[in-house]
Amino acid sequence: QVQLQESGPGLVKPSQTLSLTCNVSGGSIRSRGYYCNWIRQLPGKGLEWIGWIYYSGTTNYNPSLKSRVTISVDTSKNQFSLELRSVTAADTAVYYCAIDKSGYYWFDPWGQGTLVTVSS
Amino acid sequence: EIVLTQSPGTLSLSPGESATLSCRASQSVSSNSHLVWYQQRPGQAPRLLIYGASRRATGIPDRFSGSGSGTDFTLTISRLEPEDCGVYYCQQFGNSLVTFGGGTKVEMK
Repeated sequence: QVQLQESGPGLVKPSQTLSLTCNVSGGSIRSRGYYCNWIRQLPGKGLEWIGWIYYSGTTNYNPSLKSRVTISVDTSKNQFSLELRSVTAADTAVYYCAIDKSGYYWFDPWGQGTLVTVSS
Repeated sequence: EIVLTQSPGTLSLSPGESATLSCRASQSVSSNSHLVWYQQRPGQAPRLLIYGASRRATGIPDRFSGSGSGTDFTLTISRLEPEDCGVYYCQQFGNSLVTFGGGTKVEMK
């Protein structure tokens, strides 16, 4: 059974870079051909898809965030990462990593989520 | 961008009753394969319930069913149980973008 766990700082200063990592256990990103996604839940504003990376390195980003986002993958460690640059208070959210096994954007499973607060 | 509008905002029902949740898209969803429903219990991550508009995910009880096509989709929960409390979200992929509805909160009377 695939399980995901996010890790990273819970507090980031405005204008800095938010960096998170998702560790995948119970299944290989490379051999299973997973699409590895990041999704965030903004306070009181619902869910927002950030983007995905395939084990090959191919990425697809939400156009509204594309200029500030980089998602990378390390298949040797079976993990993938998110960088969001030039953050503001509007980027305060719970950040989730999630797997899409189908390629149809069915996210299952999700990590437990990690709250990132942007504040000085 | 395809906007998903969910209604009602909140459903307050008694155990054993049925819940009907609506998800309406601002334009036709490109394929039923791209319409999914999630359940988010308090303090937890979303959990996949229904994919492809009508197929139950692994381990999801048959009390949950999905239907619809085009711009109108429905999630029905029959024989409500206290564990069904939470927020339910629909989600679609179209025009190269994933979007989520604003959610319907299901609470027990």
